[in-house]
Amino acid sequence: GAGVSQSPSNKVTEKGKDVELRCDPISGHTALYWYRQSLGQGLEFLIYFQGNSAPDKSGLPSDRFSAERTGGSVSTLTIQRTQQEDSAVYLCASSRPGQGTEETQYFGPGTRLLVL
Amino acid sequence: DQQVKQNSPSLSVQEGRISILNCDYTNSMFDYFLWYKKYPAEGPTFLISISSIKDKNEDGRFTVFLNKSAKHLSLHIVPSQPGDSAVYFCAALYNTNAGKSTFGDGTTLTVKP
Repeated sequence: GAGVSQSPSNKVTEKGKDVELRCDPISGHTALYWYRQSLGQGLEFLIYFQGNSAPDKSGLPSDRFSAERTGGSVSTLTIQRTQQEDSAVYLCASSRPGQGTEETQYFGPGTRLLVL
Repeated sequence: DQQVKQNSPSLSVQEGRISILNCDYTNSMFDYFLWYKKYPAEGPTFLISISSIKDKNEDGRFTVFLNKSAKHLSLHIVPSQPGDSAVYFCAALYNTNAGKSTFGDGTTLTVKP
């Protein structure tokens, strides 16, 4: 079956521009997560969607970052007025929250964002 | 305050030997732990997990050990193979915060032929 897909795979933008990153989770996975990994750093949690519940936005670094999940499936992460420090790999993951191995998150290949 | 720490940013071992990757955590509420493996230009992939009710879980060449009193877990790979060269992330979560894993910074493993 299809895994988590993300688009675009690479994005180069100019400082101050807005960007949108897309994530298609695995069908049937109710949970969706966004992370970012800056060069040489670990995975930084950004936002978590679970079903129809209000998203957990506690990881968003600033109000320039926002995310939506339409119809409980596809998600879009938007970064407004991009800054050079936003350059990172943005990873999306999905899972079927529950017990044990259902907690396993399946990651997409990531979107590599470079802000010039 | 980093709740999950991987204190060794890198590890180099010889092919055929054992690789031991370590992870420490501070939140005693964590009750489920996972290891992910990440190759360059790819997303992390799930490797192995362990529940807090166990102290060991084994899957082929991979074994995860959990020491709850020390808040420490380790991933053992034996024998190590060059294809194991990757970044390994430790992650932890607890049921009341279901789904929101906390990740360590990762350890880059290099297995030399």
